Amino acid sequence: AQSVAQPEDQVNVAEGNPLTVKCTYSVSGNPYLFWYVQYPNRGLQFLLKYITGDNLVKGSYGFEAEFNKSQTSFHLKKPSALVSDSALYFCAVRPTGTASKLTFGTGTRLQVTL
Amino acid sequence: NAGVTQTPKFRVLKTGQSMTLLCAQDMNHEYMYWYRQDPGMGLRLIHYSVGEGTTAKGEVPDGYNVSRLKKQNFLLGLESAAPSQTSVYFCASTLGSLSYEQYFGPGTRLTVT
Repeated sequence: AQSVAQPEDQVNVAEGNPLTVKCTYSVSGNPYLFWYVQYPNRGLQFLLKYITGDNLVKGSYGFEAEFNKSQTSFHLKKPSALVSDSALYFCAVRPTGTASKLTFGTGTRLQVTL
Repeated sequence: NAGVTQTPKFRVLKTGQSMTLLCAQDMNHEYMYWYRQDPGMGLRLIHYSVGEGTTAKGEVPDGYNVSRLKKQNFLLGLESAAPSQTSVYFCASTLGSLSYEQYFGPGTRLTVT
């Protein structure tokens, strides 16, 4: 069975500094990997995905993620954090051929301060 | 397009009562999903559907039933609510098996007392 681990419940970063939100996964075969963001009292919004190809994936709002097959990781990054980036971030994995079913991590709360 | 909508937004039930949550999407998506979100546990899949008239169990299906009578609607039912079903429920949809990202509704916050 597939699984996703987000080892940090919360990440704190100052505005203007780079941020990283960590994600590791376990899945049989080739993974499809996703990042979603959830703002307070809202549904999840899609940020970016890795399907195949370039290991560095660029997404919405200046976010990017790096796929590392040997470390089974898919860390979310942004060069310069904004206060408005403060939210709950979820990593998810979808094995191939599974009716598009996603397995989510437990989420990491990102807090960006002035 | 409204995308994925959910009704109601909030609901309080007493133990043993029943209710139905409605999810609607106007994107002509084939696949639809129901998740529950609990603190520290991420999102867990309850049931899903790969097309009109089809449903399947997810990770945590016990105590829930679903129906997909129309392609655009996916209903989640609680026949006899329990306090353990207090949660935030999200519906999502995606175009089909070759598409990737899911689109989420705004959620329904359910409290069972």
